[in-house]
Amino acid sequence: QVQLVESGGGLVKPGGSLRLSCAASGFTFSDYYMSWIRQAPGKGLEWVSYISSSGSTIYYADSVKGRFTISRDNAKNSLYLQMNSLRAEDTAVYYCARDGWELHYWGQGTLVTVSS
Amino acid sequence: EIVMTQSPATLSVSPGERATLSCRASQSVSSNLAWYQQKPGQAPRLLIYGASTRATGIPARFSGSGSGTEFTLTISSLQSEDFAVYYCQQYNNWPSTFGQGTKVEIK
Repeated sequence: QVQLVESGGGLVKPGGSLRLSCAASGFTFSDYYMSWIRQAPGKGLEWVSYISSSGSTIYYADSVKGRFTISRDNAKNSLYLQMNSLRAEDTAVYYCARDGWELHYWGQGTLVTVSS
Repeated sequence: EIVMTQSPATLSVSPGERATLSCRASQSVSSNLAWYQQKPGQAPRLLIYGASTRATGIPARFSGSGSGTEFTLTISSLQSEDFAVYYCQQYNNWPSTFGQGTKVEIK
């Protein structure tokens, strides 16, 4: 069965950095687009970024462009999100999800809190 | 950016009744529209994609309709496990955008 497990969240000060990871299993990782979506506490969903199966196509939301970098390692079945220059408004649960359009499978999420 | 507007914000329904949720796009998204269900403390779950195709394992009481700018999610007979927040999402244009959600609560 498809499993997506995020890790790397935590408490970080404004201006700091964090790297999120998502370990995938139960499907051929290298065949699928992958995405990061976030949800601020008590709020709705926001698509952060997605990456094509080969890594050649990448999109970012304007709110994170220039600060966040998505990447993947198909040999390790892993997706990453490098987050730099973090702001209070980046505080959210970050989900990785399979696919680049409708999102068929989601991880359980990892909480990122940006606070001094 | 395409703005997705869901209505109502909260829907109070008795178990066994029908629930109808609406989603409107600020411009046409063709049939590139999905619906998700989210329960407290859980990740969203895909219910419907392509505006009307049920995802794997989704019960037949969930149905989606619409195209262009107007979409509807119908739950034909609400079960206790259906009380949750529902989001629509367009993926016709980048950035893909979500509606603000409709909370379906017990009446």
